[in-house]
Amino acid sequence: NAGVTQTPKFRILKIGQSMTLQCTQDMNHNYMYWYRQDPGMGLKLIYYSVGAGITDKGEVPNGYNVSRSTTEDFPLRLELAAPSQTSVYFCASSSPQNEQFFGPGTRLTVL
Amino acid sequence: GDSVTQMEGPVTLSEEAFLTINCTYTATGYPSLFWYVQYPGEGLQLLLKATKADDKGSNKGFEATYRKETTSFHLEKGSVQVSDSAVYFCALRGDSGYSTLTFGKGTMLLVSP
Repeated sequence: NAGVTQTPKFRILKIGQSMTLQCTQDMNHNYMYWYRQDPGMGLKLIYYSVGAGITDKGEVPNGYNVSRSTTEDFPLRLELAAPSQTSVYFCASSSPQNEQFFGPGTRLTVL
Repeated sequence: GDSVTQMEGPVTLSEEAFLTINCTYTATGYPSLFWYVQYPGEGLQLLLKATKADDKGSNKGFEATYRKETTSFHLEKGSVQVSDSAVYFCALRGDSGYSTLTFGKGTMLLVSP
């Protein structure tokens, strides 16, 4: 099992550009999550999904969109990148009421 | 809403020293509590957990006891190693909702030989 995989590992964007962060899990987990990690601030939940076709906002959803068309994939979309979105992004998955498994992260810089 | 407060780092120790990282929480009901560890350049890994009051989670020499009366879940290890250098996150999962976690800000541990 590869677990949770994320691509790309690193990306630099210009202000106003768009991109999609990819996340895939092979553990057949229903629940998937996107977090951002800023220095000294812990992890903040952006969006989560409890199954294919179902998504919901977390604590910091502004500027992001998600979709969940399959159990395995949960891409995160940035439509108009802003410097405030410079961060490390982590995807995670879990089965209900069990531990979350995290991917290795995507480091995004917006200049 | 739910919140987690951790002691600020970095915590700097010599090898074989005793470690305590404090964690307190605010939540309604009966949350589950977790410690995650993040090694440099990696994602988070579950270190240990406790799902009810007075439970003790343990793994790799680390321990934490769920204390509902003091709303705390302090992480301890009797003898740290250089390889324990990492960032440690305390987190809680509320007893309602969809398994989402609330994290503390993280505490960096640096262990020198």
